[in-house]
Amino acid sequence: EVQLVQSGAEVRKPGESLKISCQGSGYSFTNYWIGWVRQMPGKGLEWMGIIYPGDSDTRYSPSFQGQVTISADKSISTAYVQWSSLKASDTAMYYCARGSGWWDYWGQGTLVAVSS
Amino acid sequence: EIVMTQSPATLSVSPGERATLSCRASQNFSSNLAWYQHKPGQAPRLLIYGASTRATGISARFSGSGSGTEFTLTISSLQSEDFAVYYCQQYNNWPRTFGQGTKVEIK
Repeated sequence: EVQLVQSGAEVRKPGESLKISCQGSGYSFTNYWIGWVRQMPGKGLEWMGIIYPGDSDTRYSPSFQGQVTISADKSISTAYVQWSSLKASDTAMYYCARGSGWWDYWGQGTLVAVSS
Repeated sequence: EIVMTQSPATLSVSPGERATLSCRASQNFSSNLAWYQHKPGQAPRLLIYGASTRATGISARFSGSGSGTEFTLTISSLQSEDFAVYYCQQYNNWPRTFGQGTKVEIK
């Protein structure tokens, strides 16, 4: 069974760093792209970026380029998104999903709350 | 980047009725379009890819059509579990982009 399991909810202060994760199982992790989506409170889905764990090829939306870093560790079948300096506006639910085009499997979401 | 515009923002439908959701792209492309259903507290669920191919396990009351710049998701007879927000997403170009969503609510 294909599963994407994300790390738990996080509460941080502005300026802090954070790395959240998405672990894949039940399929060949290195053969499928993994992407990230943001959903801010009361808003729609925003495509952030995507990584191919096989060779770490990474693509970003211009809106997120330079704001986050997407990475993967294929040895543990895990993808990450990280922030070096969080802002209050980073408060959102973040989802990972599998695929380069359509996304057929999704993680359960990680809630990130940034508040002073 | 390709901008995806969905209409209407909210659609009020009675159970058993048909719902028609629209998605317009700012650039022409063939059929690299997906539709997702999103309910509160859940992860989004893939309904349609390739503009018209139902994903595994998706009811036949969901159908997708269109190409070029105009795409449609039709729900033939709304069931209680279909009330949700629906998003289109293009995967023709980088970056992939979503529409802003259509909320299907009970009339």
